[in-house]
Amino acid sequence: KNQVEQSPQSLIILEGKNCTLQCNYTVSPFSNLRWYKQDTGRGPVSLTIMTFSENTKSNGRYTATLDADTKQSSLHITASQLSDSASYICVVDSWGKLQFGAGTQVVVTP
Amino acid sequence: ETGVTQTPRHLVMGMTNKKSLKCEQHLGHNAMYWYKQSAKKPLELMFVYNFKEQTENNSVPSRFSPECPNSSHLFLHLHTLQPEDSALYLCASSQVLEVTNEKLFFGSGTQLSVL
Repeated sequence: KNQVEQSPQSLIILEGKNCTLQCNYTVSPFSNLRWYKQDTGRGPVSLTIMTFSENTKSNGRYTATLDADTKQSSLHITASQLSDSASYICVVDSWGKLQFGAGTQVVVTP
Repeated sequence: ETGVTQTPRHLVMGMTNKKSLKCEQHLGHNAMYWYKQSAKKPLELMFVYNFKEQTENNSVPSRFSPECPNSSHLFLHLHTLQPEDSALYLCASSQVLEVTNEKLFFGSGTQLSVL
């Protein structure tokens, strides 16, 4: 069983709308949690990195939250744009070892 | 441009062919990685090189052979592959610290198809 579970597996949203992606993990020990964006045919690109003490971190229209007690994180996309269509991958760093989620495929339609 | 360059972008090979994937990083990082990405599955770590020394080999079949001649270059040599090896192969680099791993920078990947 994967130690990093993401939901939903995929979603379709209208341009301009908001959406929230979920990441639950069981990885221990915990160093930090990252969200990556992967465009089709490209490598993943880092959006945010959060350590244990950080509850929220923003990068433009992307806002990540972390609850280290419940081992949950979310990525909120505000006012989605067509360029937000991509796979979003949650990654947990456990003392230098990275555990990847399978990703959430987001499609933004006009 | 992430500072990590992979070539070729696409590769089609037969099961009896021998080919190599190349990766170069211009970021001064001390660690380089090969990952395999299959559709709808998490990225799978294949090999890790830290200061040019291979520190991890995640039970990868011997038909995949990595080579790291220096801290900026990484190769993945392929021979007698199977159709199930078709996937996106991603190279990444990072600066590894004592108890954590700095941000990974990925290349654009090589989309491999084995016929």
